[in-house]
Amino acid sequence: DSGVTQTPKHLITATGQRVTLRCSPRSGDLSVYWYQQSLDQGLQFLIHYYNGEERAKGNILERFSAQQFPDLHSELNLSSLELGDSALYFCASSVGLGETETQYFGPGTRLLVL
Amino acid sequence: AQTVTQSQPEMSVQEAETVTLSCTYDTSESDYYLFWYKQPPSRQMILVIRQEAYKQQNATENRFSVNFQKAAKSFSLKISDSQLGDAAMYFCAYYSNFGNEKLTFGTGTRLTIIP
Repeated sequence: DSGVTQTPKHLITATGQRVTLRCSPRSGDLSVYWYQQSLDQGLQFLIHYYNGEERAKGNILERFSAQQFPDLHSELNLSSLELGDSALYFCASSVGLGETETQYFGPGTRLLVL
Repeated sequence: AQTVTQSQPEMSVQEAETVTLSCTYDTSESDYYLFWYKQPPSRQMILVIRQEAYKQQNATENRFSVNFQKAAKSFSLKISDSQLGDAAMYFCAYYSNFGNEKLTFGTGTRLTIIP
């Protein structure tokens, strides 16, 4: 158990809908990262938050957004869902910013868009 | 941009034997970190081992060790005394503070353990 929690574990929804994925980092970790794992794109970095502020964006679609709250949990919002958004979404956390960063992953949320 | 290449989509090894998974990467930076993550059928991403580029000594974690060749940009994972529980996808990953502070992953190697 990495100490990172993600809810829900599974999500089935329809095209055009909006969903929210939630992540709680390990105790004491200030950084949260979101990754998408799909069959055709592999593991792709989406976005990084540090202590409530956005630090970096990767290949994140405009239909997707995220935030990190004062209690350090993070939410990834996916809207106008398409079939291609079906994937495993991981949250990872690390202590903060610095040279010795190791990211610990949550169990992931499996999203299926029908 | 940094890239990570795993040229072996699949590997198999007899139980109790040793297997080496290959990884190469491309970067112009001198200070970075390399990781191996394991993804078993549960799909959980589990950290196996980590290597700092500034360290010449190869990292070791129990039965797992790496062969880090900085000049060749090579980072292979050796699993000794393979066990059934080692069966998984293994991902090599690169991290740098100058690369959007993200992990860049290879495409993975599926490891099968033969009883």
